Amino acid sequence: KAGVTQTPRYLIKTRGQQVTLSCSPISGHRSVSWYQQTPGQGLQFLFEYFSETQRNKGNFPGRFSGRQFSNSRSEMNVSTLELGDSALYLCASSPRTGDTEAFFGQGTRLTVV
Amino acid sequence: AQSVTQPDIHITVSEGASLELRCNYSYGATPYLFWYVQSPGQGLQLLLKYFSGDTLVQGIKGFEAEFKRSQSSFNLRKPSVHWSDAAEYFCAVGLPSNTGKLIFGQGTTLQVKP
Repeated sequence: KAGVTQTPRYLIKTRGQQVTLSCSPISGHRSVSWYQQTPGQGLQFLFEYFSETQRNKGNFPGRFSGRQFSNSRSEMNVSTLELGDSALYLCASSPRTGDTEAFFGQGTRLTVV
Repeated sequence: AQSVTQPDIHITVSEGASLELRCNYSYGATPYLFWYVQSPGQGLQLLLKYFSGDTLVQGIKGFEAEFKRSQSSFNLRKPSVHWSDAAEYFCAVGLPSNTGKLIFGQGTTLQVKP
């Protein structure tokens, strides 16, 4: 069974631009969560989607948004990029929301210059 | 607010020695508990999890963890460390509510001396 696939693996963007990251969950998994990982703040929860609905959202500005499609694939978008948005963005999938473990992808490394 | 504390930012052990990584959490009830490992530039791999039942859980790669409710702890152990265990280890809690949110500790970097 294929794992969680995140594309692209690496991105370099200029401040002020926007970016879209993609995540394909494990087949059959319906919950997708996104996390931001930085050296200073560690791993922080961005949001979770389940059955195309946002179930929970972390403490991030509105520039961070996401969506989930009917096939459970998810995208997250960051608009008006700031230098501080440089991070590893990790996607995790679970069979359902709530009491199950999350399986993580390898992440997308975003560098904002 | 819920929180996870990993008191040791960096630990160095000799290959073959035993290992214990500490994790304490703050939450009003018993959360779901996880340990993940991350190699440089990679995603997170689940080592083990605790939802309920036996407080000593076995995971992959020879790791185990013990949940102690009285101490709000979920420490990770391995009897004999291998050089390939060098990585960053994260303790996480999942809240028993209808969301998939995980709260992570700051991580412990493990260095293994030959």
